[in-house]
Amino acid sequence: SSELTQDPAVSVALGQTVRITCQGDSLRIYSASWYQQKPGQAPVLVIYGKSKRPSGIPDRFSGSSSGNTASLTITGARAEDEADYYCKSRDSSGNHWVFGGGTKLTVL
Amino acid sequence: QITLKESGPTLVKPTQTLTLTCTVSGFSLSTSGVGVGWIRQPPGKALEWLALIYWDDDKRYSPALKSRLTITKDTSKNQVVLTMTNVDPVDTATYYCAHSHIATTTDAFDIWGQGTMVPVSS
Repeated sequence: SSELTQDPAVSVALGQTVRITCQGDSLRIYSASWYQQKPGQAPVLVIYGKSKRPSGIPDRFSGSSSGNTASLTITGARAEDEADYYCKSRDSSGNHWVFGGGTKLTVL
Repeated sequence: QITLKESGPTLVKPTQTLTLTCTVSGFSLSTSGVGVGWIRQPPGKALEWLALIYWDDDKRYSPALKSRLTITKDTSKNQVVLTMTNVDPVDTATYYCAHSHIATTTDAFDIWGQGTMVPVSS
């Protein structure tokens, strides 16, 4: 079992906004990072340090956090955003890391 | 340009020891703040963090697998090695290594290797 909880699946209409959430007690203290993974590919970092975007990641991806919940928001979803999304943060001890169970995003 | 590449056996038998090597380029394993982690993903399942080693040889392990894992680095060879003892078919997964930096990525894994699939079967 994961200390970070994600909804297994979320869908969004093309061009609309979608929020993917990650819940866990450790998120009250530690920031989350978010990874996009398409079938057969390695994960790609899309958000780190709670809300920072690596170079090359479109600005339609944004991150936020409140209390025990971190969120990844995609504003104006595109077909190529269809993928699995994972959050990651430190565990409650602060000495190890843990991934969420992942959210499969479908763009309709 | 930072790159990482995993290598390992094409098949491992149950109870054997699995040895995986991550060869890195574009950065030094001795640079302050650098970390290299190992993550695995069983077919059709979620990512699982396994271990991480820092530039100063600080090592962290998943509590669930700590008794079976050892992570080391060889700075001169630009390699990070992960060994897992007493493997079982449930350890069948794609194993990834990834780069992080305490300051520039706030511990996030910003660059990943392509992964190596390791089946465990008799």
